[in-house]
Amino acid sequence: EIVLTQSPATLSLSPGERATLSCGASQSVRSYLAWFQQKPGQAPRLLIYDASNRATGIPARFSGSGSGTDFNLTISSLEPEDFAVYFCFHRSAWPWTFGQGTTVEMK
Amino acid sequence: EVQLVESGGDLVQPGRSLRLSCQTSGYSFAESGMAWFRQPPGKGLEWVAFVRNTLLGGNVEYAASLKDRFVISRDDSESTAYLHMNSLIREDTAVYYCARYFCTRFNCFLDYWGQGTQVTVSS
Repeated sequence: EIVLTQSPATLSLSPGERATLSCGASQSVRSYLAWFQQKPGQAPRLLIYDASNRATGIPARFSGSGSGTDFNLTISSLEPEDFAVYFCFHRSAWPWTFGQGTTVEMK
Repeated sequence: EVQLVESGGDLVQPGRSLRLSCQTSGYSFAESGMAWFRQPPGKGLEWVAFVRNTLLGGNVEYAASLKDRFVISRDDSESTAYLHMNSLIREDTAVYYCARYFCTRFNCFLDYWGQGTQVTVSS
């Protein structure tokens, strides 16, 4: 099983600041990595698929990078609605797995 | 508009069975795979099961710890996916989500999710 490790666990930032979230894989997942956003009581929302492709309707302030074992999600300038939990996810091999999540909280 | 709506979640006793449904609309169901995920209270997301689209044979995959008790299926005529859960244990308590697995020529992704259905296993 491929283990995804996210860092940091919590990111405390203010609106307008830049957020960089990391996801490391225990072995290569090639580019088959996605990022999801989840708010309390809501289903996950796809932000980025295959490492760097923004999903439909996702603002340009969200970007993804990386390949192999090291990936980043960057939010260039935080909006109030961006404070949430973010999960990375791979579909490179069975079983699919998620990282444990990074909480982006308002400072 | 693409929509996925889960149903069937309930409070059940340990050892009992439950069937979850994921009714879809707004797209060609037969051309997409479907997946189930779950999220225990206060915890992260876990992939449960996957069924490929019918054109690719409808093969299934399971999380190793669940494959002996859970069965995923699909009914293309009803545009619905199912998750049959047997011999439920307390650790199966979670919100269960279904999601569409859509593939273009170059990429595949889980782009639409249902709102979730709560399964609680307790005596």
